[in-house]
Amino acid sequence: EIVMTQSPVTLSVSPGERATLSCRASQSISSYLAWYQQKPGQAPRLLIFGASTRATGIPARFSGSGSGTEFTLTISSLQSEDFGVYYCQQYNNWGTFGQGTKVEIK
Amino acid sequence: QVQLVESGGGVVQPGRSLRLSCEASGFIFTSYTLHWVRQAPGKGLEWVALMSYDGSNTYYADSVKGRFTISRDNSNNTLFLQMNSLRAEDTAMYYCVRGGGQWLLTFYFDSWGQGTLVTVSS
Repeated sequence: EIVMTQSPVTLSVSPGERATLSCRASQSISSYLAWYQQKPGQAPRLLIFGASTRATGIPARFSGSGSGTEFTLTISSLQSEDFGVYYCQQYNNWGTFGQGTKVEIK
Repeated sequence: QVQLVESGGGVVQPGRSLRLSCEASGFIFTSYTLHWVRQAPGKGLEWVALMSYDGSNTYYADSVKGRFTISRDNSNNTLFLQMNSLRAEDTAMYYCVRGGGQWLLTFYFDSWGQGTLVTVSS
């Protein structure tokens, strides 16, 4: 099983600041990486697939990068509605998720 | 727009069964692989099962293999999850999700239902 490790566990960011979230795969997954956002009491929402392709309706402030085993989600200027938990997921071999990074207000 | 509406959750005793349903609308049901993904309270996400767009392939996580069965009714745009021999560790919110891309067996999920809560407790 491919293990996904996210860092940091919690990220404290002020509105308007840049947020950088990391995700590492235990083996190469090429670009088969997705990012999801989950707010309290809600279902997750797809943000990025193919490591860098934004899903329909996702604002341009969200960007993904990386390939192989190292990936990054960047939120260029954090908005109030962006706070929540972010999960990365590999889908190169079945589908396994990271444990999540909680983005909170600083 | 795409809608996935789950139902059938509830409180059930260990060892008993439960059947979840997911009514889909807003897209061509037979063109997409559909999955169940679960989330234990306060925990992360776990893929559970999938059925391919044409119904020819089903796959399960090791944690549920032999106990859960996924199926779909294409005439009524509905996905099911039959859960037998339930255990305390099956307690979770169960999400019906659509795989990305038409006519593909993909494991990223572009649409999610709101979930139905299953609690296994005596």
